[in-house]
Amino acid sequence: DTGVSQDPRHKITKRGQNVTFRCDPISEHNRLYWYRQTLGQGPEFLTYFQNEAQLEKSRLLSDRFSAERPKGSFSTLEIQRTEQGDSAMYLCASSSRDPGETQYFGPGTRLLVL
Amino acid sequence: DQQVKQNSPSLSVQEGRISILNCDYTNSMFDYFLWYKKYPAEGPTFLISISSIKDKNEDGRFTVFLNKSAKHLSLHIVPSQPGDSAVYFCAASAGTASKLTFGTGTRLQVTL
Repeated sequence: DTGVSQDPRHKITKRGQNVTFRCDPISEHNRLYWYRQTLGQGPEFLTYFQNEAQLEKSRLLSDRFSAERPKGSFSTLEIQRTEQGDSAMYLCASSSRDPGETQYFGPGTRLLVL
Repeated sequence: DQQVKQNSPSLSVQEGRISILNCDYTNSMFDYFLWYKKYPAEGPTFLISISSIKDKNEDGRFTVFLNKSAKHLSLHIVPSQPGDSAVYFCAASAGTASKLTFGTGTRLQVTL
């Protein structure tokens, strides 16, 4: 069991640049979630996929953010025209189809926008 | 609107003693509750969960208690160990396959 993996682990970018993060869920998990965590706060929900379908998006997910899960396996989160306020830890989690299932988190991608 | 609240930002406990971490929620639709442990620069690690149909769930040194009428849950760690030092997050969801709403975390320090 390799767990949830995320790439890259760290990203430093300049304001206005685009960045893309990747998440590989636990292999048998069909549900995938993205969260964002800023200093002193708990993780905040961004979006959720069941297989390849994006079923829910938070209002935190502005039009500069887009997420995909094209084949129902890995997912990407892209941020266009990054702003300093986008600096945060971006966390991915996955869960199985069973009721009451637990979400297991990856190590996160820490983004710093200069 | 903070639907899940952890009012103690930090807690210090001696090794071998009991650690009690508290969490309150306001959304009566929440029916599944979890505790996660987080080390710096890592993702949250799942510890223990409880469904709203139960009032207690135990796993080794960890026990979670749920008081639905008070909208309160707590995590007990007995005995506390230095390796338990981390930030603990309470989380809740409404329905299965649903997003988690997290509290702001409690930093636990277990001293020798």
